[in-house]
Amino acid sequence: DAGVIQSPRHEVTEMGQEVTLRCKPISGHDYLFWYRQTMMRGLELLIYFNNNVPIDDSGMPEDRFSAKMPNASFSTLKIQPSEPRDSAVYFCASSRTLAGGGREQYFGPGTRLTVT
Amino acid sequence: GQQLNQSPQSMFIQEGEDVSMNCTSSSIFNTWLWYKQEPGEGPVLLIALYKAGELTSNGRLTAQFGITRKDSFLNISASIPSDVGIYFCAGLTSGTYKYIFGTGTRLKVLA
Repeated sequence: DAGVIQSPRHEVTEMGQEVTLRCKPISGHDYLFWYRQTMMRGLELLIYFNNNVPIDDSGMPEDRFSAKMPNASFSTLKIQPSEPRDSAVYFCASSRTLAGGGREQYFGPGTRLTVT
Repeated sequence: GQQLNQSPQSMFIQEGEDVSMNCTSSSIFNTWLWYKQEPGEGPVLLIALYKAGELTSNGRLTAQFGITRKDSFLNISASIPSDVGIYFCAGLTSGTYKYIFGTGTRLKVLA
């Protein structure tokens, strides 16, 4: 099975521009998570979805960030307008509940965003 | 956001040595996950633990779910150069889907 797919892998943009990051979760997974990783703050959860519905967006830094999941196989994270402090690696992850109730989470390869 | 206490922060070891690292939390978890992250890649799931006291192996890796449900341990036996990377723990409390991540243990193996 294919893992979590993210695109682009690298994005360099100028301050003020709109950035859209894309994610395809593992087929059959009903939870999708967006994380941001920086040296200073480690892995931070931004938002997560269950069955395409946003459940908790308390980690979204500010109104410049938005996320959508129009269907079970696609999600986007948009930053508009972008700022240099948004430079980080953004990960998408997906999970599903196993038969015994356990939950494993699988990460994509990440998008390295640089805002100049 | 909230993070687990993971130690040590970094380790430099000789090839062939065994490695131990752990995570502790003030909260009780019902799931512990251990990941390895290499430069430029996403975290890769190594081991999942679901029950207090559970001991699970994956090749040379062995992880344990602490009896108090507030800690977990990862051991790597007979380390090799490709074990280099950052190892993260992640915990999940009952009734939530928000994993809490440790700060990571950076492992370097000297050949």
